[in-house]
Amino acid sequence: DVVLTQTPSTLSATIGQSVSISCRSSQSLLDSAGNTYLYWYLQRPGQSPQLLIYLVSNLGSGVPNRFSGSGSGTDFTLKISGVEAEDLGVYYCMQATHAPLTFGSGTKLEIK
Amino acid sequence: EVQLVESGGGLVQPGASLKLSCVASGFTFSDYWMSWVRQTPGKTMEWIGDIKYDGSYTNYAPSLKNRFTISRDNAKSTLYLQMSNVRSEDTATYYCTRVRSPYVMDAWGQGASVTVSS
Repeated sequence: DVVLTQTPSTLSATIGQSVSISCRSSQSLLDSAGNTYLYWYLQRPGQSPQLLIYLVSNLGSGVPNRFSGSGSGTDFTLKISGVEAEDLGVYYCMQATHAPLTFGSGTKLEIK
Repeated sequence: EVQLVESGGGLVQPGASLKLSCVASGFTFSDYWMSWVRQTPGKTMEWIGDIKYDGSYTNYAPSLKNRFTISRDNAKSTLYLQMSNVRSEDTATYYCTRVRSPYVMDAWGQGASVTVSS
């Protein structure tokens, strides 16, 4: 199975600060058709996960544009440009290029 | 409004069987692939599997394939997860999700909690 390693495991930020989360894959997530099935989800406290980013860099519906995704191959980054209080929670990367679909271990974002 | 509501969770003994349900509303259920994902108490996320919109095809995580079965009833807009021979490591919150191309899980239920313990 593809292992997704997220760093850091915990992140503390002040309101307005920009932060980045890394997701590294044990295999390239580029498929033979040229697609990279890498996603980012946020799970707020007490809630179900919700989609933030799909296919590396595409914003989900209704997701604020302070969120952005980048990367290729095995290295991917989620950036929040100007953290807001509602951004606290656990961020997960997920890949669907290789079966079975796998998730990273999560990055907890705390607000100082 | 898209809604997914899981039910059927609870306390179950090791070796027993359990069937979870997920009732969908707010969209045409039969147009979408659906999936199950679970989250352990330690917050690890694990994909269980998915099912094609017409129920004709399923995929499973290899580690769960022999014990878990996904099915659906489009007339009832309901997704199911049949769990058999459950183990303590199956203790988790189980989420059903709607899947749209390109494998975007864009709607999640609130989750059903399953605890396996004697």
